[in-house]
Amino acid sequence: DTAVSQTPKYLVTQMGNDKSIKCEQNLGHDTMYWYKQDSKKFLKIMFSYNNKELIINETVPNRFSPKSPDKAHLNLHINSLELGDSAVYFCASSQEGLWNEAFFGQGTRLTVV
Amino acid sequence: GDSVTQMEGPVTLSEEAFLTINCTYTATGYPSLFWYVQYPGEGLQLLLKATKADDKGSNKGFEATYRKETTSFHLEKGSVQVSDSAVYFCALSAQGGSEKLVFGKGTKLTVNP
Repeated sequence: DTAVSQTPKYLVTQMGNDKSIKCEQNLGHDTMYWYKQDSKKFLKIMFSYNNKELIINETVPNRFSPKSPDKAHLNLHINSLELGDSAVYFCASSQEGLWNEAFFGQGTRLTVV
Repeated sequence: GDSVTQMEGPVTLSEEAFLTINCTYTATGYPSLFWYVQYPGEGLQLLLKATKADDKGSNKGFEATYRKETTSFHLEKGSVQVSDSAVYFCALSAQGGSEKLVFGKGTKLTVNP
């Protein structure tokens, strides 16, 4: 069983479009995250949710809007996509902060053309 | 703010060579420290962790010791294999629950037969 699953795995879209990436975890964790990995493999946190409540928003443009319908899901919606949004987006989850292991999804490779 | 500095890659080794990837950190308090590994085309997996000073994390032949006096968490393996080829990330989680992992920039390791 997949612990953290993201869909789609690949997403190619044109500038100006709106797209969503979905994430689900079946681990019963309280906290979920979105990370962005750029072309140089650098990972930076974007958002963190704990029990559906936004905890961290790391100066991400407001074109990015996370939505957590329940604590097992954290979706990422992106409006008016730009070329610079091209990256791999990773969803992750953990239990009660990060003293314990964070589990990552397989990533969504977003390419904006 | 909290930060992690890793040695620049890429690192290329022959099979059975000794591996060291240096990692130092800056954090207030006593963070937990982690090494994550990303195999080609996959998400991140926890490799090992240490939650307090002088703890040694180990897994799959890899080891790292939490050194508070030098604020370091260097990754070592005595004999690398081709299957160890991946990108390795050092990360910390600050005490007090900032609810996020701070990653180093990653070090790409290639092991040749």
